[in-house]
Amino acid sequence: SQQGEEDPQALSIQEGENATMNCSYKTSINNLQWYRQNSGRGLVHLILIRSNEREKHSGRLRVTLDTSKKSSSLLITASRAADTASYFCAHTGANSKLTFGKGITLSVRP
Amino acid sequence: GAGVSQSPRYKVAKRGQDVALRCDPISGHVSLFWYQQALGQGPEFLTYFQNEAQLDKSGLPSDRFFAERPEGSVSTLKIQRTQQEDSAVYLCASSPFRDFASYEQYFGPGTRLTVT
Repeated sequence: SQQGEEDPQALSIQEGENATMNCSYKTSINNLQWYRQNSGRGLVHLILIRSNEREKHSGRLRVTLDTSKKSSSLLITASRAADTASYFCAHTGANSKLTFGKGITLSVRP
Repeated sequence: GAGVSQSPRYKVAKRGQDVALRCDPISGHVSLFWYQQALGQGPEFLTYFQNEAQLDKSGLPSDRFFAERPEGSVSTLKIQRTQQEDSAVYLCASSPFRDFASYEQYFGPGTRLTVT
C-alpha cells in the first residue's frame, strides 16, 4: 500500500505562475524523489533529495525536505503549459523499496 | 541512448487468459523493477532483480504473478489466469546501481493491461 500523501490532489494555474506541491510520508527515509508522468507515458525523474539535505534546486525546480515533519515540497517556478502532468513523490526507506504517493495532477493554462 | 522499452504497449486479455509482458532495460543496468499502477494511483512495487537474481518479490499480489530475468537483461512479467482486478499499467524501471535506493530509477512507458 502507498505510504505517501501528496496535496493538493489537483492544481490548476495560469502559465507563468508558480506551482507548489506538497508531500508527506510516514516512515524514516534515505531519500525522497519527485517524478513527473505525462498522460499515457512513463515516469520521468525530476529531482532527488537525500535525508541529510534540506533544499535542492534544478533549473525551475526547487525541492525542500523537512524530516522532522516528514514532508517535502516541490516548487515549479514560471510554469509552462508543457509542465501539465501528474507529479509523484516517492521515497526509499530501510527496505530500499521506492514507495510512491497517489500523485498530484497539475494543469497549466496557456 | 535508448531508454527502457516495454512491449506490448497495450494488451487486452479475456479473464482467465495468461499474459506475458516484456521489459528491455537500459543496457548494462544491473537493477530492474516491476511496478503496478492502477488508474488514478501511484505505482506500487511488485518485484526487484539484481542481474538475474530476483531479490525481492514481496509486492507480487498473488502466485498468479511470476517474473523472470534469466540472463540478467530482458525481463518478463507473466500473469496467469488473469482477473479483472489485474487491469492496470505495468511499469518497468532499471538502475545502473546495486545500491539503487540512493539513486533515481529509469522508467519505461508501461504496458496497459485490460482484462475483460
